[in-house]
Amino acid sequence: NAGVMQNPRHLVRRRGQEARLRCSPMKGHSHVYWYRQLPEEGLKFMVYLQKENIIDESGMPKERFSAEFPKEGPSILRIQQVVRGDSAAYFCASSGQGLSYNEQFFGPGTRLTVL
Amino acid sequence: GQQLNQSPQSMFIQEGEDVSMNCTSSSIFNTWLWYKQDPGEGPVLLIALYKAGELTSNGRLTAQFGITRKDSFLNISASIPSDVGIYFCAGLWGTDKLIFGTGTRLQVFP
Repeated sequence: NAGVMQNPRHLVRRRGQEARLRCSPMKGHSHVYWYRQLPEEGLKFMVYLQKENIIDESGMPKERFSAEFPKEGPSILRIQQVVRGDSAAYFCASSGQGLSYNEQFFGPGTRLTVL
Repeated sequence: GQQLNQSPQSMFIQEGEDVSMNCTSSSIFNTWLWYKQDPGEGPVLLIALYKAGELTSNGRLTAQFGITRKDSFLNISASIPSDVGIYFCAGLWGTDKLIFGTGTRLQVFP
Protein backbone atom coordinates (compact mmCIF):
# COMPACT_ATOMS: atom_id res chain seq x y z
CA ASN A 1 0.00 0.00 0.00
CA ALA A 2 1.70 3.15 -1.21
CA GLY A 3 -0.83 5.55 0.30
CA VAL A 4 -0.51 7.96 3.20
CA MET A 5 -0.43 6.05 6.48
CA GLN A 6 -1.55 7.33 9.83
CA ASN A 7 -1.52 5.73 13.23
CA PRO A 8 -3.14 5.17 15.50
CA ARG A 9 -6.56 5.23 13.82
CA HIS A 10 -8.26 5.86 17.14
CA LEU A 11 -6.74 7.43 20.25
CA VAL A 12 -8.39 7.99 23.62
CA ARG A 13 -6.79 10.30 26.14
CA ARG A 14 -7.82 11.79 29.47
CA ARG A 15 -7.66 15.52 30.01
CA GLY A 16 -4.10 16.64 30.70
CA GLN A 17 -2.41 13.74 28.90
CA GLU A 18 -0.34 13.99 25.73
CA ALA A 19 -1.42 12.79 22.31
CA ARG A 20 1.05 11.80 19.58
CA LEU A 21 -0.23 11.29 16.06
CA ARG A 22 1.99 9.81 13.36
CA CYS A 23 1.94 10.19 9.60
CA SER A 24 4.01 8.51 6.91
CA PRO A 25 3.66 10.26 3.54
CA MET A 26 3.21 8.49 0.22
CA LYS A 27 6.40 7.06 -1.22
CA GLY A 28 8.31 9.78 -3.00
CA HIS A 29 6.43 12.63 -1.32
CA SER A 30 8.35 15.14 0.76
CA HIS A 31 5.58 17.59 1.67
CA VAL A 32 3.33 16.87 4.65
CA TYR A 33 0.23 18.74 5.80
CA TRP A 34 -1.93 18.33 8.90
CA TYR A 35 -5.63 19.18 9.02
CA ARG A 36 -8.28 18.95 11.74
CA GLN A 37 -11.93 18.07 11.18
CA LEU A 38 -14.70 18.60 13.69
CA PRO A 39 -17.96 16.62 13.27
CA GLU A 40 -20.14 17.82 10.40
CA GLU A 41 -17.48 20.31 9.23
CA GLY A 42 -14.85 20.56 6.52
CA LEU A 43 -11.16 20.12 7.17
CA LYS A 44 -9.17 23.04 8.60
CA PHE A 45 -5.49 23.51 7.76
CA MET A 46 -3.05 23.34 10.65
CA VAL A 47 0.54 23.07 9.43
CA TYR A 48 2.72 22.36 6.38
CA LEU A 49 6.12 20.72 6.75
CA GLN A 50 8.98 19.54 4.62
CA LYS A 51 11.78 17.36 5.92
CA GLU A 52 13.19 19.02 9.07
CA ASN A 53 11.38 22.30 8.32
CA ILE A 54 8.08 23.88 9.29
CA ILE A 55 7.00 25.91 6.27
CA ASP A 56 3.60 27.25 7.35
CA GLU A 57 2.08 26.82 10.80
CA SER A 58 -0.52 29.55 10.49
CA GLY A 59 -3.35 27.14 11.41
CA MET A 60 -1.73 25.73 14.53
CA PRO A 61 -3.01 26.80 17.95
CA LYS A 62 -0.33 28.86 19.65
CA GLU A 63 -0.10 26.65 22.70
CA ARG A 64 0.10 22.91 23.35
CA PHE A 65 0.34 21.91 19.67
CA SER A 66 3.56 21.14 17.83
CA ALA A 67 4.55 19.28 14.68
CA GLU A 68 7.74 17.87 13.26
CA PHE A 69 8.90 15.97 10.21
CA PRO A 70 12.36 14.60 10.98
CA LYS A 71 14.95 13.53 8.45
CA GLU A 72 14.16 9.91 9.25
CA GLY A 73 10.78 8.57 10.28
CA PRO A 74 7.21 9.79 10.19
CA SER A 75 5.79 13.24 10.78
CA ILE A 76 4.47 13.71 14.32
CA LEU A 77 1.66 15.96 15.51
CA ARG A 78 1.91 16.37 19.26
CA ILE A 79 -0.77 17.76 21.52
CA GLN A 80 0.21 18.39 25.10
CA GLN A 81 -2.22 18.59 28.05
CA VAL A 82 -5.21 17.68 25.90
CA VAL A 83 -8.60 19.23 26.61
CA ARG A 84 -12.08 18.07 25.56
CA GLY A 85 -12.09 20.61 22.72
CA ASP A 86 -9.17 18.78 21.09
CA SER A 87 -11.47 15.87 20.29
CA ALA A 88 -11.59 15.70 16.49
CA ALA A 89 -10.34 13.76 13.48
CA TYR A 90 -6.80 14.70 12.49
CA PHE A 91 -5.79 14.08 8.91
CA CYS A 92 -2.40 14.09 7.34
CA ALA A 93 -1.87 14.70 3.62
CA SER A 94 1.20 14.55 1.42
CA SER A 95 2.16 15.89 -1.98
CA GLY A 96 5.00 15.36 -4.40
CA GLN A 97 7.05 17.49 -6.74
CA GLY A 98 6.46 19.18 -10.05
CA LEU A 99 3.00 19.13 -11.61
CA SER A 100 1.54 17.02 -8.79
CA TYR A 101 2.73 19.41 -6.11
CA ASN A 102 -0.69 20.95 -5.64
CA GLU A 103 -2.49 17.61 -5.32
CA GLN A 104 -2.68 16.61 -1.68
CA PHE A 105 -3.47 12.98 -0.87
CA PHE A 106 -4.96 12.22 2.50
CA GLY A 107 -4.49 9.43 4.99
CA PRO A 108 -7.34 7.69 6.84
CA GLY A 109 -7.07 9.99 9.84
CA THR A 110 -6.65 9.63 13.60
CA ARG A 111 -9.77 10.08 15.65
CA LEU A 112 -8.85 11.61 18.99
CA THR A 113 -11.29 11.39 21.86
CA VAL A 114 -10.53 13.27 25.06
CA LEU A 115 -12.40 12.04 28.11
CA GLY B 1 -10.84 34.73 6.27
CA GLN B 2 -11.41 32.72 3.12
CA GLN B 3 -14.62 30.76 3.01
CA LEU B 4 -16.02 28.29 0.51
CA ASN B 5 -19.76 27.71 0.43
CA GLN B 6 -21.13 24.55 -1.08
CA SER B 7 -24.66 23.93 -2.24
CA PRO B 8 -26.78 22.08 -1.81
CA GLN B 9 -25.95 21.06 1.75
CA SER B 10 -27.46 17.62 1.13
CA MET B 11 -29.06 15.70 -1.70
CA PHE B 12 -31.29 12.64 -1.80
CA ILE B 13 -31.52 11.11 -5.25
CA GLN B 14 -32.57 7.94 -7.04
CA GLU B 15 -29.95 5.60 -8.47
CA GLY B 16 -29.32 6.47 -12.11
CA GLU B 17 -30.01 10.18 -11.73
CA ASP B 18 -27.45 12.87 -12.51
CA VAL B 19 -26.15 15.09 -9.70
CA SER B 20 -24.85 18.63 -9.75
CA MET B 21 -23.26 20.51 -6.86
CA ASN B 22 -21.30 23.72 -6.70
CA CYS B 23 -18.87 25.70 -4.66
CA THR B 24 -18.50 29.47 -4.43
CA SER B 25 -15.95 31.70 -2.79
CA SER B 26 -15.44 35.35 -2.02
CA SER B 27 -11.75 34.91 -2.87
CA ILE B 28 -9.92 33.93 -6.05
CA PHE B 29 -8.21 30.55 -6.12
CA ASN B 30 -5.72 29.33 -8.73
CA THR B 31 -6.35 25.66 -8.06
CA TRP B 32 -9.58 23.86 -7.19
CA LEU B 33 -9.79 20.30 -5.96
CA TRP B 34 -12.80 18.06 -5.42
CA TYR B 35 -12.71 15.33 -2.76
CA LYS B 36 -15.09 12.60 -1.60
CA GLN B 37 -15.12 11.46 2.01
CA ASP B 38 -16.71 8.24 3.24
CA PRO B 39 -17.65 7.86 6.94
CA GLY B 40 -14.61 7.19 9.07
CA GLU B 41 -12.17 7.71 6.22
CA GLY B 42 -9.98 10.44 4.82
CA PRO B 43 -10.92 12.53 1.77
CA VAL B 44 -10.13 10.95 -1.58
CA LEU B 45 -9.06 13.23 -4.42
CA LEU B 46 -11.47 13.08 -7.37
CA ILE B 47 -10.50 15.90 -9.72
CA ALA B 48 -7.95 18.73 -9.77
CA LEU B 49 -8.53 21.93 -11.79
CA TYR B 50 -5.75 24.37 -12.63
CA LYS B 51 -7.03 26.85 -15.22
CA ALA B 52 -10.01 29.19 -15.26
CA GLY B 53 -12.67 27.76 -17.55
CA GLU B 54 -11.11 24.31 -17.48
CA LEU B 55 -13.52 21.37 -17.77
CA THR B 56 -12.13 18.03 -16.60
CA SER B 57 -13.67 14.56 -16.47
CA ASN B 58 -12.86 11.47 -14.46
CA GLY B 59 -15.19 8.63 -15.44
CA ARG B 60 -18.73 9.67 -14.54
CA LEU B 61 -17.46 12.83 -12.83
CA THR B 62 -17.05 16.18 -14.55
CA ALA B 63 -15.83 19.35 -12.87
CA GLN B 64 -15.36 22.90 -14.11
CA PHE B 65 -13.21 25.75 -12.84
CA GLY B 66 -15.24 28.97 -13.10
CA ILE B 67 -14.06 31.81 -15.32
CA THR B 68 -13.98 34.23 -12.39
CA ARG B 69 -11.84 31.70 -10.42
CA LYS B 70 -14.30 32.10 -7.56
CA ASP B 71 -16.44 29.06 -8.22
CA SER B 72 -16.48 25.47 -9.39
CA PHE B 73 -19.07 22.78 -9.99
CA LEU B 74 -19.03 19.00 -9.92
CA ASN B 75 -21.40 16.77 -11.88
CA ILE B 76 -21.92 13.06 -11.37
CA SER B 77 -23.75 11.24 -14.13
CA ALA B 78 -25.83 8.08 -13.71
CA SER B 79 -25.35 7.86 -9.94
CA ILE B 80 -24.80 4.49 -8.26
CA PRO B 81 -25.07 3.49 -4.58
CA SER B 82 -21.31 3.76 -3.99
CA ASP B 83 -21.47 7.48 -4.83
CA VAL B 84 -22.91 8.00 -1.34
CA GLY B 85 -20.67 10.19 0.79
CA ILE B 86 -19.71 13.79 1.47
CA TYR B 87 -18.23 15.80 -1.38
CA PHE B 88 -15.88 18.65 -0.54
CA CYS B 89 -14.47 21.32 -2.77
CA ALA B 90 -11.14 22.82 -1.75
CA GLY B 91 -9.25 25.85 -3.02
CA LEU B 92 -5.49 26.08 -2.78
CA TRP B 93 -4.57 29.25 -0.90
CA GLY B 94 -1.02 30.35 -1.61
CA THR B 95 1.17 27.36 -2.30
CA ASP B 96 0.25 24.99 0.47
CA LYS B 97 -2.99 25.57 2.34
CA LEU B 98 -6.22 23.93 1.23
CA ILE B 99 -9.38 25.81 2.20
CA PHE B 100 -12.24 23.32 2.36
CA GLY B 101 -15.88 23.95 1.61
CA THR B 102 -18.75 23.11 3.88
CA GLY B 103 -19.51 19.85 2.05
CA THR B 104 -22.44 18.35 0.15
CA ARG B 105 -23.84 15.15 1.61
CA LEU B 106 -25.10 12.79 -1.10
CA GLN B 107 -27.53 9.94 -0.46
CA VAL B 108 -28.46 7.58 -3.31
CA PHE B 109 -31.51 5.35 -3.07
CA PRO B 110 -31.80 2.17 -5.16
